[in-house]
Amino acid sequence: AQSVTQPDIHITVSEGASLELRCNYSYGATPYLFWYVQSPGQGLQLLLKYFSGDTLVQGIKGFEAEFKRSQSSFNLRKPSVHWSDAAEYFCAVGAVNYGGSQGNLIFGKGTKLSVKP
Amino acid sequence: DSGVTQTPKHLITATGQRVTLRCSPRSGDLSVYWYQQSLDQGLQFLIQYYNGEERAKGNILERFSAQQFPDLHSELNLSSLELGDSALYFCASSALGQTYNEQFFGPGTRLTVL
Repeated sequence: AQSVTQPDIHITVSEGASLELRCNYSYGATPYLFWYVQSPGQGLQLLLKYFSGDTLVQGIKGFEAEFKRSQSSFNLRKPSVHWSDAAEYFCAVGAVNYGGSQGNLIFGKGTKLSVKP
Repeated sequence: DSGVTQTPKHLITATGQRVTLRCSPRSGDLSVYWYQQSLDQGLQFLIQYYNGEERAKGNILERFSAQQFPDLHSELNLSSLELGDSALYFCASSALGQTYNEQFFGPGTRLTVL
């Protein structure tokens, strides 16, 4: 079965420090991979996505992620964290319905990021 | 603003009651998805509609049902509510085409069952 694992429930980093959030997926074929961010009381906003091609993808707000097929990972990185980055981050894999049409997203449990001043 | 609207924003009701959550997708998106977010279960897919037809089902309880209307808005009906149904319910929409398309999420409806 398809699944996404985010091993870190909560991470605290100092403002200006670098960040890496881990994500591992289980999927039979080439995965469609996403990172979403959720600020308190808000909906989910797409940070970046990977479908194919260059394994290093750039997103909004200075985030990037690297797809590593050999490790089944899609880790999210940011070189310098800002206080406004405090939020919950979700990694997701896109399912494909029987018949090949686009299906739902399968989410990890999320990683809550706190930023120390 | 994702372009997906959900009403109401908050809903407080009692056990045993029935509620309807409404979602309007982004202009032009034919596919609508419903998700439930709770502390213990995380973000769980409930059901997907495409142009009025049910396309896929996830962990949706029999007490829950949904439909998508000809104008493409969707409603999620929750009946015989239990305390455990308290959660944030998200609607998302996407285009469907040759490539895999981004899902745009609404702001959610927070349901509290007392």
